[in-house]
Amino acid sequence: EIVLTQSPDFQSVTPKEKVTITCRASQTIGSSLHWYQQKPDQSPKLLIKYASQSFSGVPSRFSGSGSGTDFTLTINSLEAEDAATYYCHQSSSLPWTFGQGTKVEIK
Amino acid sequence: QVQLQESGPGLVKPSETLSLTCTVSGGSVSSGSYYWSWIRQPPGKGLEWIGYIYYTGSTNYNPSLKSRVTISVDTSKTQFSLKLSSVTAADTAVYYCARVGWGGGDFAGTINAFDIWGQGTMVTVSS
Repeated sequence: EIVLTQSPDFQSVTPKEKVTITCRASQTIGSSLHWYQQKPDQSPKLLIKYASQSFSGVPSRFSGSGSGTDFTLTINSLEAEDAATYYCHQSSSLPWTFGQGTKVEIK
Repeated sequence: QVQLQESGPGLVKPSETLSLTCTVSGGSVSSGSYYWSWIRQPPGKGLEWIGYIYYTGSTNYNPSLKSRVTISVDTSKTQFSLKLSSVTAADTAVYYCARVGWGGGDFAGTINAFDIWGQGTMVTVSS
């Protein structure tokens, strides 16, 4: 099983600040790494697919990069509505797995 | 647009079988372009993939749950279902159904992300 480790677990950020979340895979997964945003009491929503492809309708301040084992989700100019938990997910090999999540709080 | 909706009992007794259904509206589970998955999230915790089914009935399950899980599909009703047997308190979670497809372009032949999710249904295991 591929283990995904996100860092940090928690981040408190002021509006307009830049946020960087990393996801490291226990073995190489090419670009089969995807990012989701989950707000309280809501289902996860897809932000970025295949490491760097923005999903339809996602604000341009969200971007992703990386390949192999190291990946990054960047939120440029954080907005209050971005307070959420962010998860990475790999679809390279079964069983599909998720990172443990990174909670982003607005100061 | 395609929407997913989970349904089923919110309370299940220990040792019994949890049964949930996901209804697909605005689309078809018979599409060969997608796999239909179940994912769960214990209160305050992260996401765990349970398994998927293809419209042909082909399935794949998370090894951690494989001995207790059955996923089935009813193409006539555009539904797919989850059964989890011998439940314990550790199975208390929000259960989501989700769609995952194939990649395109440079990623043809690879599995894509979960692009559509249901709203989730909370299942509590308690006597």
